[in-house]
Amino acid sequence: GAVVSQHPSWVICKSGTSVKIECRSLDFQATTMFWYRQFPKQSLMLMATSNEGSKATYEQGVEKDKFLINHASLTLSTLTVTSAHPEDSSFYICSARDSGRGGNQPQHFGDGTRLSIL
Amino acid sequence: QQPVQSPQAVILREGEDAVINCSSSKALYSVHWYRQKHGEAPVFLMILLKGGEQKGHDKISASFNEKKQQSSLYLTASQLSYSGTYFCGTGGGNNDMRFGAGTRLTVKP
Repeated sequence: GAVVSQHPSWVICKSGTSVKIECRSLDFQATTMFWYRQFPKQSLMLMATSNEGSKATYEQGVEKDKFLINHASLTLSTLTVTSAHPEDSSFYICSARDSGRGGNQPQHFGDGTRLSIL
Repeated sequence: QQPVQSPQAVILREGEDAVINCSSSKALYSVHWYRQKHGEAPVFLMILLKGGEQKGHDKISASFNEKKQQSSLYLTASQLSYSGTYFCGTGGGNNDMRFGAGTRLTVKP
């Protein structure tokens, strides 16, 4: 089945540090990947849509200069949280759909990255 | 815009049934259902594409009423492994997905 690998699984770092999270589709190509943030006991909130070879599309209220997204290939998207602060602590999850199988495919999720900013 | 889920939480005994509802104020073209265990990523359950479509596997099934812009997830003869938070997701024009607030299901022995 379709597998999405997300790395790292967890990060603990000091305030002001920039953190990069990688999302890879291992056995399929994804022209579009999605980044979500989830606070404890809350739903998954879509942050941005990552488009291969072009700029990401950000949801309203998400700072594009703070959450840098790069989708350089059909199997890799990265999210960089720049100058992270404690309020950025959250569970970040990426997902992707198989581009080669037409529309209305399920989203496959990575295992998530738990980010803790001290 | 996020779909609306109800109820927010359900507590069941093993073997009991539950229904989780998902509705949208916008036209629905597809509905996805996922289950998430604590600390883990969501796991895909099923997708419904057409109005009136019903699907199921094992003892979990779902229906999609396109006219009413709603979907329901049915869990019958619940098992302990069914515990988790269930999310419905509705698709947008960019193939993006917006999720409801979730329904926390607890199955007790």
